[in-house]
Amino acid sequence: QSVLTQPPSASGTPGQRVTISCSGSSSNIGSNTVNWYQQVPGTAPKLLIYSNNQRPSGVPDRFSGSKSGTSASLAISGLQSEDEADYYCAAWDDSLNGVVFGGGTKLTVL
Amino acid sequence: EVQLVESGGGLVKPGRSLRLSCTASGFTFGEYAMSWFRQAPGRGLEWVGFIRSKAYGGTIEYAASVKGRFTISRDDSKSIAYLQMNSLKIEDTAVYYCTRLISSSSIAFDIWGQGTMVTVSS
Repeated sequence: QSVLTQPPSASGTPGQRVTISCSGSSSNIGSNTVNWYQQVPGTAPKLLIYSNNQRPSGVPDRFSGSKSGTSASLAISGLQSEDEADYYCAAWDDSLNGVVFGGGTKLTVL
Repeated sequence: EVQLVESGGGLVKPGRSLRLSCTASGFTFGEYAMSWFRQAPGRGLEWVGFIRSKAYGGTIEYAASVKGRFTISRDDSKSIAYLQMNSLKIEDTAVYYCTRLISSSSIAFDIWGQGTMVTVSS
């Protein structure tokens, strides 16, 4: 059972906009920033969004993040076939004194 | 090129020990906190622990699931981080990733190694 809650799956067609939600609590998302990772099966995760809405160098601006209260979301616009991957949200948890993750959302591009 | 390369994984019996290494290149290793994560087959990501840079005391934090069994250390002169795993359990079977903390102001991990597989089985 993951500390952060994500939908197990999401889907969209090429060009569409999809959002993935991440729900937490006051000890994690409510008091710390949220990060998002993309993992293509069989490869290492890649940092996609940090500090709620910042993109590392090289990440397309099609990817955006937001946070409100104890929830966060990742939006992907102009969906492309190469976006098909697993997406994880993460945050520091003050009560557990560690990094906590969502269970991951498998994005399928139809 | 900024890179992390893990090594030391393999097959080990329950109760035994294993040490993973993470060799860094392309950046000033000593300036960054380093962390370990793991991913059991078919499962999600799990944080194992991290070690801060010397500038921040070199202190270490561990996940509850490994505290007392795993030890993280670093050798800044060699640009290597280590994960010493003792009293291994079957549930420690996973791909182990070494990562770099992006900065002191954000607990996000921007560089990941390719991972090394640890299988705990009798």
